[in-house]
Amino acid sequence: IAGITQAPTSQILAAGRRMTLRCTQDMRHNAMYWYRQDLGLGLRLIHYSNTAGTTGKGEVPDGYSVSRANTDDFPLTLASAVPSQTSVYFCASGRDSWNTGELFFGEGSRLTVL
Amino acid sequence: AQSVTQLGSHVSVSEGALVLLRCNYSSSVPPYLFWYVQYPNQGLQLLLKYTSAATLVKGINGFEAEFKKSETSFHLTKPSAHMSDAAEYFCAVSGPSGNTPLVFGKGTRLSVIA
Repeated sequence: IAGITQAPTSQILAAGRRMTLRCTQDMRHNAMYWYRQDLGLGLRLIHYSNTAGTTGKGEVPDGYSVSRANTDDFPLTLASAVPSQTSVYFCASGRDSWNTGELFFGEGSRLTVL
Repeated sequence: AQSVTQLGSHVSVSEGALVLLRCNYSSSVPPYLFWYVQYPNQGLQLLLKYTSAATLVKGINGFEAEFKKSETSFHLTKPSAHMSDAAEYFCAVSGPSGNTPLVFGKGTRLSVIA
């Protein structure tokens, strides 16, 4: 079934460790996004990419980095994890960068930083 | 900058009763507006969207929303709630050309009581 695959689905991580959350889509969508979801705060955009080779900062980019080497993959890296990065992370994609269409979401990656 | 405000973090209705979830937006230009639904332990999926066509938008599962420019609102309604409607609902806004990532509200959790 076409869609977005995120890995891992769940991870417990010691503070200070490096972590990469993987995201792959097979819909050939141009735009991809990383959101974090926290209770009472809704979804907040971390980073986005309108097309392969380009990235942009969202609302809460500090402590995170992304790359978009090709259309399908959009990994999110925490260089040195801190407890405040404990959250559920969602990757999403859109057919184009214009956001007039539907965003497709992955199932999420639950990250706990101790 | 665009933003959305969802009134009520939690709404509880009886099965068969009207569902009304409120969303007000702030935008200096005509917006694109969306409602997404998130079932437990899943990613978000699109319910409906307004992109400057008809002001009354019909979505999946019997939901609809009306764009009211004078009230800067985009409330979500359903005439008769089902138990399966229990979920988290998010309102989101994007710019007129859609070249900015979606900004989500903080979400409203809908409970349906038998």
